[in-house]
Amino acid sequence: DAKTTQPNSMESNEEEPVHLPCNHSTISGTDYIHWYRQLPSQGPEYVIHGLTSNVNNRMASLAIAEDRKSSTLILHRATLRDAAVYYCILRDTDKLIFGTGTRLQVFP
Amino acid sequence: DSGVTQTPKHLITATGQRVTLRCSPRSGDLSVYWYQQSLDQGLQFLIQYYNGEERAKGNILERFSAQQFPDLHSELNLSSLELGDSALYFCASSPRGLVSGEQFFGPGTRLTVL
Repeated sequence: DAKTTQPNSMESNEEEPVHLPCNHSTISGTDYIHWYRQLPSQGPEYVIHGLTSNVNNRMASLAIAEDRKSSTLILHRATLRDAAVYYCILRDTDKLIFGTGTRLQVFP
Repeated sequence: DSGVTQTPKHLITATGQRVTLRCSPRSGDLSVYWYQQSLDQGLQFLIQYYNGEERAKGNILERFSAQQFPDLHSELNLSSLELGDSALYFCASSPRGLVSGEQFFGPGTRLTVL
């Protein structure tokens, strides 16, 4: 499974945009880029995924570099509820291989 | 609420014992996954079942086993428990187990081995 690299932690203020980076230089052509998050005391929760093009949904946007070696999860307006560990996962099989993720802190 | 249920929520047992964790996937989902989350190892994939058949195996110990029943619920059996098995165990489900698909996670079972 290809590896991803994320910062250990990031901070944001409420209502500000947040850009969470992920490097995946060994990505293969068939790898999907998935983002999950885990809120305190809860199971992981799907956020968004993409293959080559940028993607938007009600939770976030995913910007994928043209060479696909990096991607950025964008939360347009952070809320306190967005404080969580965010995992960037490359997926070429059914299973999810979680790394250590980025712990996002959101301040009022 | 993801629609995935797990029982029990908490389980406290002693070393050497055997426990069974239960997972009910979302209605209609054919694929069930088990994950273990411990402080030192993070979230690790254990095993996947698809429509009753084992599809993929991860870092699952030989002391652990799982199965998926005809009604699609799944059970994870942990035997000869050790202190290091203390962890959160999550079950997830997805409609067809596609690479591009979303997995829905349950709230987890917290296992404490004393």
